[in-house]
Amino acid sequence: GQNIDQPTEMTATEGAIVQINCTYQTSGFNGLFWYQQHAGEAPTFLSYNVLDGLEEKGRFSSFLSRSKGYSYLLLKELQMKDSASYLCAVRDPDSWGKLQFGAGTQVVVTP
Amino acid sequence: DSGVTQTPKHLITATGQRVTLRCSPRSGDLSVYWYQQSLDQGLQFLIHYYNGEERAKGNILERFSAQQFPDLHSELNLSSLELGDSALYFCASSVTQGPEAFFGQGTRLTVV
Repeated sequence: GQNIDQPTEMTATEGAIVQINCTYQTSGFNGLFWYQQHAGEAPTFLSYNVLDGLEEKGRFSSFLSRSKGYSYLLLKELQMKDSASYLCAVRDPDSWGKLQFGAGTQVVVTP
Repeated sequence: DSGVTQTPKHLITATGQRVTLRCSPRSGDLSVYWYQQSLDQGLQFLIHYYNGEERAKGNILERFSAQQFPDLHSELNLSSLELGDSALYFCASSVTQGPEAFFGQGTRLTVV
């Protein structure tokens, strides 16, 4: 099995930057994903990391260190619409179709 | 709109009953995944089908079963329902080896 930890909640001001950390413990590794989920809605894909380093996509960036079992999602120039839950997920090394999700980090953006 | 369609959107049923949730994947996607999301458990992987065949199973209860049909739509059957089965059930689909899965809007199941 795999253990995935991320903070429960973070608060930041509109226009600021927030970094959401995710640590995982796994017997194997086959990719890490970040999803955004607004309350009562479907998760939407944000990023995918399989190699170490930073992946940048607009205001969102995701970083991975496989040796440390660590990833972060960086949200820049925060907007009110970024208030949502951010889910870190690790792909099962034996089954590329199976993702294990963390409990999610609720980000609250204040004016 | 992700292109993944789930029906019904809401379902209220009594304990002990059986329900069927339906999912139509995005056009061309061969993989379908089912997830359960409850307040205390988060998003939990249930099962994965690829082109009609079961490929991976998570912590899916024996009371639950799924299948993927030749037209690639999928159904999740939940039987002998209990209050604790109340949750959002999501279906997602993806291309064969693509990392990105597209989620449907979910079916909110309430068992009373």
